[in-house]
Amino acid sequence: AQSVTQPDIHITVSEGASLELRCNYSYGATPYLFWYVQSPGQGLQLLLKYFSGDTLVQGIKGFEAEFKRSQSSFNLRKPSVHWSDAAEYFCAVGQSNFGNEKLTFGTGTRLTIIP
Amino acid sequence: DAMVIQNPRYQVTQFGKPVTLSCSQTLNHNVMYWYQQKSSQAPKLLFHYYDKDFNNEADTPDNFQSRRPNTSFCFLDIRSPGLGDAAMYLCATSREGGGTAYEQYFGPGTRLTVT
Repeated sequence: AQSVTQPDIHITVSEGASLELRCNYSYGATPYLFWYVQSPGQGLQLLLKYFSGDTLVQGIKGFEAEFKRSQSSFNLRKPSVHWSDAAEYFCAVGQSNFGNEKLTFGTGTRLTIIP
Repeated sequence: DAMVIQNPRYQVTQFGKPVTLSCSQTLNHNVMYWYQQKSSQAPKLLFHYYDKDFNNEADTPDNFQSRRPNTSFCFLDIRSPGLGDAAMYLCATSREGGGTAYEQYFGPGTRLTVT
């Protein structure tokens, strides 16, 4: 079965500093990979997705992620974080079972921004 | 703006008293999902609809039921809530087919408290 691992439960970054959130996946074929963000008390919002092609994908809010098949990773990056980026970030892999497409989420990384 | 709406945002119910959570969408998506998210955990898929076709996750308790009377609305019924059912309940929608089924649009969630 497919799975997603986010090894960092909580990360603290200074405003203006760069950010990298780690995500590793387990999947037999080329995966569909996603990053979602959840602000406190809110639903999830899609940041970016990887289906195929260029391994560096751009998303909303200045985020990007790089798919590395050799490392089974899909890490999220941002060159300079803003206080508004404080949120929970979920990596997810898409899986299809007899035509039923579902997302499997990682356990999330909570991002705290300090001044 | 097209969106996913959940009502109420906060719901308090008593142990064993049935409760219904509602979700509506203006995106005209044919797939709708219900997730349960407990504190500091990943969203857990309970069930989803492809149009009117209901798909239950194997580990979703019988206590949880769902109805989808039309494309726009979907309901989550908890027949006899227990203390362990206290959680955030997220509704999401997507288009059917291929990678687009994984691009899910989430509502803000309903936080359920069981007393």
